[in-house]
Amino acid sequence: EVQLLESGGGLVQPGGSLRLSCTASEFTFSIYAMNWVRQAPGKGLEWVSAISGSGGSTYYADSVKGRFTISRDNSKNTLYLQMNSLRAEDTAVYYCAKDRVGGNSGWDIDYWGQGTLVTVSS
Amino acid sequence: DIQMTQSPSSLSASVGDRVTITCRASQGISNYLAWFQQKPGKAPKSLIYAASTLQSGVPSKFSGSGSGTDFTLTISSLQPEDFATYYCQQYNSYPLTFGGGTKVEIK
Repeated sequence: EVQLLESGGGLVQPGGSLRLSCTASEFTFSIYAMNWVRQAPGKGLEWVSAISGSGGSTYYADSVKGRFTISRDNSKNTLYLQMNSLRAEDTAVYYCAKDRVGGNSGWDIDYWGQGTLVTVSS
Repeated sequence: DIQMTQSPSSLSASVGDRVTITCRASQGISNYLAWFQQKPGKAPKSLIYAASTLQSGVPSKFSGSGSGTDFTLTISSLQPEDFATYYCQQYNSYPLTFGGGTKVEIK
């Protein structure tokens, strides 16, 4: 069974930085594009960023472009999200999520992690 | 960006009812449409992709249809475990976008 385990969430002050990690197992990580999706308290789902299997292509929501950076280390089966210049509106549970189809990015999601909470507050 | 509009935003239904949720895209997305189920405090679960194909292990009481701009998710006979919030999502182009969600509650 595919497993995705996020870590790195916590409380950070506005303007601060945080790096999330997502460790993957039970599938060939390097083949699949990966995503970060977030959910603010009591709100709906918002796609944040995606990265191709090789890491050569990245995509961002306008709300995080220039502040967040997605990356991956295929040797460690780990996905990252570096979050800088954090704002109160970035407060959310952050999920990592796997594309269903390997190869090119931009497919639907088939597996989700359990999420990690990021709280931006002074 | 492609906007996804779900309706209704919430509904009340009884066990055994047939329930239909609609999702409209602001422009044509072919069949690049997925549906997710989320229960309180839990991660979303993938239900349907390509507008009408069930993910592995998803029961056949769930069905999806549509193409272009208009899509539906139908639950044929609502069971207690189906009370949850449902989201549609387009993956035709980046940025990927979700609908606002439909909360299915017990009547």
